[in-house]
Amino acid sequence: GAVVSQHPSWVICKSGTSVKIECRSLDFQATTMFWYRQFPKQSLMLMATSNEGSKATYEQGVEKDKFLINHASLTLSTLTVTSAHPEDSSFYICSATTPGLYGYTFGSGTRLTVV
Amino acid sequence: QKEVEQDPGPLSVPEGAIVSLNCTYSNSAFQYFMWYRQYSRKGPELLMYTYSSGNKEDGRFTAQVDKSSKYISLFIRDSQPSDSATYLCAMSGGGGSEKLVFGKGTKLTVNP
Repeated sequence: GAVVSQHPSWVICKSGTSVKIECRSLDFQATTMFWYRQFPKQSLMLMATSNEGSKATYEQGVEKDKFLINHASLTLSTLTVTSAHPEDSSFYICSATTPGLYGYTFGSGTRLTVV
Repeated sequence: QKEVEQDPGPLSVPEGAIVSLNCTYSNSAFQYFMWYRQYSRKGPELLMYTYSSGNKEDGRFTAQVDKSSKYISLFIRDSQPSDSATYLCAMSGGGGSEKLVFGKGTKLTVNP
């Protein structure tokens, strides 16, 4: 079945630094990838949608300059949290899909802690 | 009214019980319906995928979609402690690259 790999699974960084999270589709070419944020005991909150080779579409209220998304190839999308602050600490999850694929496949998530 | 409503629970059942989870929605354009299982600190895992109305069965899991009532259900037969997780319903209007709209998730605990 479709597999999405997300790295790192957890990361701790200092306030003010930047962190990059990678999302790779291992056995299919992902035309569209999504990035979500999830707070404890809450559902997934969509941050942005990215199509390969195009600029990402951000949801209302998500700072595009703070959460940089790149989808440079059909198998890789990255989320960079720039100038991270403690309030950016959260669980970030990517998902990917492509025409003909049933459902959307999710990565295993990245727990970001900013200290 | 939210686009997708799902009772967050928590729901606690004994091992072997039949579990019924459901969601209601308001957007009649939704045509693709999914159920995901999410264990703590993990990404969601696709359990069931259904297009339009009808039933779909896969092992112990049965998904039902009633578009006339805007109501979807997931049944788990012979529930096991390993089924303890949060179950999320999700739906979209089109296939391909349309974004999913999620319910809040129902936390299920199956007690041995």
